[in-house]
Amino acid sequence: AQSVTQLGSHVSVSEGALVLLRCNYSSSVPPYLFWYVQYPNQGLQLLLKYTSAATLVKGINGFEAEFKKSETSFHLTKPSAHMSDAAEYFCAVSERSNYQLIWGAGTKLIIKP
Amino acid sequence: DAGVIQSPRHEVTEMGQEVTLRCKPISGHDYLFWYRQTMMRGLELLIYFNNNVPIDDSGMPEDRFSAKMPNASFSTLKIQPSEPRDSAVYFCASGDRRANYGYTFGSGTRLTVV
Repeated sequence: AQSVTQLGSHVSVSEGALVLLRCNYSSSVPPYLFWYVQYPNQGLQLLLKYTSAATLVKGINGFEAEFKKSETSFHLTKPSAHMSDAAEYFCAVSERSNYQLIWGAGTKLIIKP
Repeated sequence: DAGVIQSPRHEVTEMGQEVTLRCKPISGHDYLFWYRQTMMRGLELLIYFNNNVPIDDSGMPEDRFSAKMPNASFSTLKIQPSEPRDSAVYFCASGDRRANYGYTFGSGTRLTVV
């Protein structure tokens, strides 16, 4: 069965520093991959998605993620963190034949001033 | 497009009472999902519908929980009777499988059972 692992339940970075949130999936066939963001007291918002086009995917708010099949990874990055990036980030995967998303446990991003 | 609309935003009820949560998906979306989010368990899929038909309700915790989708523009999640352990944020999400996947979430209903 598909699974998604997000390394680190909490990640803390300084404002202006690189953000790197890790996501690994288990699948023998490249799936569809997603990153969602949840701000406090809000629903989840789609940040970006990989559905078999370019392996480097750009999303909203300056985030991007790279699909690496050999590493079964889809890590989320942003060159320079802003205070407004503080939120919880979820990685999710679905098989191409199935519309149901399998979710990672989430990573809380903390931005230090 | 108003997005996925959930009501109420907050609900406080006494143990044993019936609770009904409502969701209006995005027009044209053929999938609808109900999720529950708690600190302890994270995000849990309760049930999902395709073209108004329930496809998988294996995540529904107990018989006290039921969900319906009488038409393409409305769904309800009902808890009867409610218990304090049902306190959580309940999210509805809708999606269009033809449009490159991804779901759109509502803002959620924060349920507190006292």
